[in-house]
Amino acid sequence: KQEVTQIPAALSVPEGENLVLNCSFTDSAIYNLQWFRQDPGKGLTSLLLIQSSQREQTSGRLNASLDKSSGRSTLYIAASQPGDSATYLCAVRPRDSNYQLIWGAGTKLIIKP
Amino acid sequence: SAVISQKPSRDICQRGTSLTIQCQVDSQVTMMFWYRQQPGQSLTLIATANQGSEATYESGFVIDKFPISRPNLTFSTLTVSNMSPEDSSIYLCSAGHQANTEAFFGQGTRLTVV
Repeated sequence: KQEVTQIPAALSVPEGENLVLNCSFTDSAIYNLQWFRQDPGKGLTSLLLIQSSQREQTSGRLNASLDKSSGRSTLYIAASQPGDSATYLCAVRPRDSNYQLIWGAGTKLIIKP
Repeated sequence: SAVISQKPSRDICQRGTSLTIQCQVDSQVTMMFWYRQQPGQSLTLIATANQGSEATYESGFVIDKFPISRPNLTFSTLTVSNMSPEDSSIYLCSAGHQANTEAFFGQGTRLTVV
């Protein structure tokens, strides 16, 4: 059974720092991995989608990597800003499922001005 | 891509009543899902909304409590029936075209049961 773990659960850093969020999964048989952002009490915003055949994806200050063989993904945020404060969730779509996503518990990120 | 409109965005309901949440997608999609996110928790899948047939429910969720409709490829509803305070959560609609493509989410419905 696929399990997704995100470390750390919470992270607080000063504005301007580069940071890395981690996501690990137990079964490499996936279609893709997706990173989301969630602001308090709100829905989810898709940040990056990495297909199983890809190694990384970039969007602006965000870079996500995928190492399927080791079951790991990282989300790199460059030059962090207070507006980046949110909970970041990763989710994988297993190949043996009814297309549902399996979720990590999230990393709550606080960027201090 | 797909833009999902979900309403209401929030509601406060009396216990014992029911609330229907609507999810409208701006394009036809293959897959639609309903999730629940309890306070401080990650997302839990309630069911897959199947177009023209009964929804597929996950373990712990039943049709009598969470009836779902999906009359076409762009619209679905989730009803939370006979509500209790334990049903207070954010309910999220998700849609996608195929398994290997991006999943999109509505802005969520924040439900408080008093």
